[in-house]
Amino acid sequence: EPEVTQTPSHQVTQMGQEVILRCVPISNHLYFYWYRQILGQKVEFLVSFYNNEISEKSEIFDDQFSVERPDGSNFTLKIRSTKLEDSAMYFCASSLVEGGYEQYFGPGTRLTVT
Amino acid sequence: GQQVMQIPQYQHVQEGEDFTTYCNSSTTLSNIQWYKQRPGGHPVFLIQLVKSGEVKKQKRLTFQFGEAKKNSSLHITATQTTDVGTYFCAGPGSGGSNYKLTFGKGTLLTVNP
Repeated sequence: EPEVTQTPSHQVTQMGQEVILRCVPISNHLYFYWYRQILGQKVEFLVSFYNNEISEKSEIFDDQFSVERPDGSNFTLKIRSTKLEDSAMYFCASSLVEGGYEQYFGPGTRLTVT
Repeated sequence: GQQVMQIPQYQHVQEGEDFTTYCNSSTTLSNIQWYKQRPGGHPVFLIQLVKSGEVKKQKRLTFQFGEAKKNSSLHITATQTTDVGTYFCAGPGSGGSNYKLTFGKGTLLTVNP
């Protein structure tokens, strides 16, 4: 069964450093998403991406964040200057069709900012 | 903005007991989805409800969408230890945007064998 993959599984970085989280969505999917989940809390939407551009972003997704699909398979989330409060689990997801159909989540990258 | 409220936050049951989690939205939803997240895992899609009053079943799980499309519930009959996890409901984003999911806070289900 096809699945979304994410690397690395755990990233530790110092405050102020840049990090890039990588995702490989399911190959025939068209819509890509990033979510984050602070430990013990709900899953929060960050950004959606379709046709090589951002479709929607949340208030969390400020100028420190950016997304890119550099080739036909990878989808990345960059945080330019990490803060302590960026520590969370970051999930990538993809879907075949717009919104109201199931989103397939990757296993997540745990980001720890020290 | 759009909010999806979910209760209870925690539920501990004995194996074999039933379990229900409830989801309420401040606005009418075009659809609602349910996800399960095992401890240490990622959200896994369970089902989507679209029609007013819709009821869907998956083995011991029963999902309902309210007549007004503002509330939903997930009921598990005769819980098993494999049911342990957090159950989230999720609706479209504010303004009915289908480019995002707005998750409830989830209900953490623990099952005592």
